[in-house]
Amino acid sequence: DAKTTQPNSMESNEEEPVHLPCNHSTISGTDYIHWYRQLPSQGPEYVIHGLTSNVNNRMASLAIAEDRKSSTLILHRATLRDAAVYYCILRAGTYKYIFGTGTRLKVLA
Amino acid sequence: EPEVTQTPSHQVTQMGQEVILRCVPISNHLYFYWYRQILGQKVEFLVSFYNNEISEKSEIFDDQFSVERPDGSNFTLKIRSTKLEDSAMYFCASSVRLGQGSPWGNSPLHFGNGTRLTVT
Repeated sequence: DAKTTQPNSMESNEEEPVHLPCNHSTISGTDYIHWYRQLPSQGPEYVIHGLTSNVNNRMASLAIAEDRKSSTLILHRATLRDAAVYYCILRAGTYKYIFGTGTRLKVLA
Repeated sequence: EPEVTQTPSHQVTQMGQEVILRCVPISNHLYFYWYRQILGQKVEFLVSFYNNEISEKSEIFDDQFSVERPDGSNFTLKIRSTKLEDSAMYFCASSVRLGQGSPWGNSPLHFGNGTRLTVT
């Protein structure tokens, strides 16, 4: 199963951009990179996913390295509501995704 | 926007009792999942379900667990004889819209807000 590595925690100031890194050096050619986040006392929430090209949606941007061995989730202007655990996930089997420990993002007012 | 809904939000049961956790996935989704999260720990995969059968399951999903899609809209997780260590948040998820083409990995999971199971 392809594995991901993320920093345990990061801090950001409110209204500043946040770059959350993820390493996935064993990724296969067909695996999409998914990002989810989990707000306190809630279920995981889909953020964004991509295969090779950079992706943008209303929540965030995903920058994928050319060799696909790493990616970065970009929150353009962090708010206090973005404080959460962010998970970078690859497919771990035909029909499953395995969550790691993720990055706990703290946003400072 | 369609949501995955789970009931009840909190279930308290005594050790050894059977519990059924209920989920209503997004209506045109084809793949269904159960995950659990023990307080303060990681979100753990339990099982995936497609075309009325289990696709994959983890080591946690032993003979005490079963899943069912009884009526085409609900998706249930049954624990036959609960143990103290089954106390956790249980999350249901669904993915892959009917008619969506492959590859499979190009469909995000949509999670419910979970059922908190407390075994006393």
